[in-house]
Amino acid sequence: GAGVSQSPRYKVAKRGQDVALRCDPISGHVSLFWYQQALGQGPEFLTYFQNEAQLDKSGLPSDRFFAERPEGSVSTLKIQRTQQEDSAVYLCASSLPGQASSYNSPLHFGNGTRLTVT
Amino acid sequence: AQSVTQLDSQVPVFEEAPVELRCNYSSSVSVYLFWYVQYPNQGLQLLLKYLSGSTLVESINGFEAEFNKSQTSFHLRKPSVHISDTAEYFCAVKRGGSYIPTFGRGTSLIVHP
Repeated sequence: GAGVSQSPRYKVAKRGQDVALRCDPISGHVSLFWYQQALGQGPEFLTYFQNEAQLDKSGLPSDRFFAERPEGSVSTLKIQRTQQEDSAVYLCASSLPGQASSYNSPLHFGNGTRLTVT
Repeated sequence: AQSVTQLDSQVPVFEEAPVELRCNYSSSVSVYLFWYVQYPNQGLQLLLKYLSGSTLVESINGFEAEFNKSQTSFHLRKPSVHISDTAEYFCAVKRGGSYIPTFGRGTSLIVHP
């Protein structure tokens, strides 16, 4: 597709349920990022992939959060046993370069998935 | 860790007036600086970026930002805003050697007719 696609657009979960959020990056993009954006806040880093390798997961808030990108394209962010504090917009972004020399590359964002935990 | 401060959570302004959105970051040897814009119900999109060279960078829709190393700032300006500029603006910083940009909390620009 032309841009980064995220699904579902909205998700309502009861506390304790598991959820899975999907991200389709721009075709050919090597780098993929997940961010969490709470209401009134900026995006907070969760995890980063280069192709299928998860190079940084330092931002994942707990072991209930898990992300994967098994074939180096589509990525899934899974949250187990959701809690109310997990309510936020989850943003996925991709960028083409995966080389160390391309630290200046901008990110292309999807529209996000708004997760509400009741 | 890198931090980014956007002091103004909301900036109301009248159409055709000038505007400045402030961004300060914690010091680092080398940084790459970005401004992203988020229109209602849309994803973030790149507005402009500073990588190296001239400290003044411009976007195609009239915004500009100036990198000030001594003040560790990267303020965004526009001499005359339009209603369509109403959006959330995010400043982001990448430390040299890192893949991961750190974002500020955002500034909501509200342009009134």
